[in-house]
Amino acid sequence: AQRVTQPEKLLSVFKGAPVELKCNYSYSGSPELFWYVQYSRQRLQLLLRHISRESIKGFTADLNKGETSFHLKKPFAQEEDSAMYYCALTPRGGSEKLVFGKGTKLTVNP
Amino acid sequence: GAGVSQTPSNKVTEKGKYVELRCDPISGHTALYWYRQSLGQGPEFLIYFQGTGAADDSGLPNDRFFAVRPEGSVSTLKIQRTERGDSAVYLCASSLGGGGLNTGELFFGEGSRLTVL
Repeated sequence: AQRVTQPEKLLSVFKGAPVELKCNYSYSGSPELFWYVQYSRQRLQLLLRHISRESIKGFTADLNKGETSFHLKKPFAQEEDSAMYYCALTPRGGSEKLVFGKGTKLTVNP
Repeated sequence: GAGVSQTPSNKVTEKGKYVELRCDPISGHTALYWYRQSLGQGPEFLIYFQGTGAADDSGLPNDRFFAVRPEGSVSTLKIQRTERGDSAVYLCASSLGGGGLNTGELFFGEGSRLTVL
């Protein structure tokens, strides 16, 4: 079965501090991993995807197959980064059905 | 419209009633998804359409839930004999893909908040 675990429900940091949102997954095959974000009063939207190896808004995420993790990192958090973050996976080459974690609420304090 | 549109945005109903939730995807998107999000949880997959057909309905919790997409565009999620436990935000999303095109980018609507009293 596919499962995504985000161990932290809440995470609070100060502006300019590094931030790491943890994500672990369980899947027997080789999944595609994603981070979605929901800012206050906005829709859920894609932040970044593993396969693109991109950096969006200063965030990066590295897939660690040995630890089955896909943690989201940013070296210097900004107040506008405050949002709900969801890690998600989909089977590689399968349907585009996404399996989401429960989410982490990030608050960046001034 | 520019994005995925869902109606109604809020629906309050009584236990046992029938409810329909509508989703209008982004024009040209062949794939359409329904998710349910309960308080404090991530979105939970319900059903996925590729065109008019339900390619994966494994997330529908029971036979009270049904969804259609008769012309491959607008979709309706139907809930019969609603129960208090059905209260949640129902999210619709669409994407370009399908047929193995696995981009993972789903475009979400704002959701329909269902409250069953």
